[in-house]
Amino acid sequence: KAGVTQTPRYLIKTRGQQVTLSCSPISGHRSVSWYQQTPGQGLQFLFEYFSETQRNKGNFPGRFSGRQFSNSRSEMNVSTLELGDSALYLCASSLGQGFVDTQYFGPGTRLTVL
Amino acid sequence: AQSVTQLGSHVSVSEGALVLLRCNYSSSVPPYLFWYVQYPNQGLQLLLKYTSAATLVKGINGFEAEFKKSETSFHLTKPSAHMSDAAEYFCAVSELGGADGLTFGKGTHLIIQP
Repeated sequence: KAGVTQTPRYLIKTRGQQVTLSCSPISGHRSVSWYQQTPGQGLQFLFEYFSETQRNKGNFPGRFSGRQFSNSRSEMNVSTLELGDSALYLCASSLGQGFVDTQYFGPGTRLTVL
Repeated sequence: AQSVTQLGSHVSVSEGALVLLRCNYSSSVPPYLFWYVQYPNQGLQLLLKYTSAATLVKGINGFEAEFKKSETSFHLTKPSAHMSDAAEYFCAVSELGGADGLTFGKGTHLIIQP
């Protein structure tokens, strides 16, 4: 069974631009969560999607948004990029919503904002 | 609100020695607790999880952790360290329903001395 895939793996943008990251979950998984990892703040929860609906959301500004499609694939969008948005963005998929089911993480997308 | 504290950003042990990584949590309701491992340039992998069943949880690669409610702790141990255990370890907490998502500690970098 293929694991969680994230595209692209690396991305360089400039301040003010917007970016869209993609996550394909493990086949059969209906929940996708997104996380931001930085050296200063560590791992922070962005949001969780289940059956195309956002179920839970972390403490991030509205510039961070996401969506989930009927095939459970998910995209995350960041608008008006700031230098502080440079981070590794991880997505994880699981069978059910919430966090009791084992989450399987992708390798991440490394975003650099110049 | 939930939070996690990992004592020691770096822990160094000799190969074959006991590994002990400390994690204390704060949660207003009975928590779900997790330990994840991250190897360089990779996503996170679940080592083990506590979801209110047995307080002693066994995970992969010989790791185990004990949930101690009175001490609000969930320390990770392994009897004999192996060179391949060198990685970053994260403790995380979630509450039923996951409204606050998955909250991670800052991580502990485990160094194995030959």
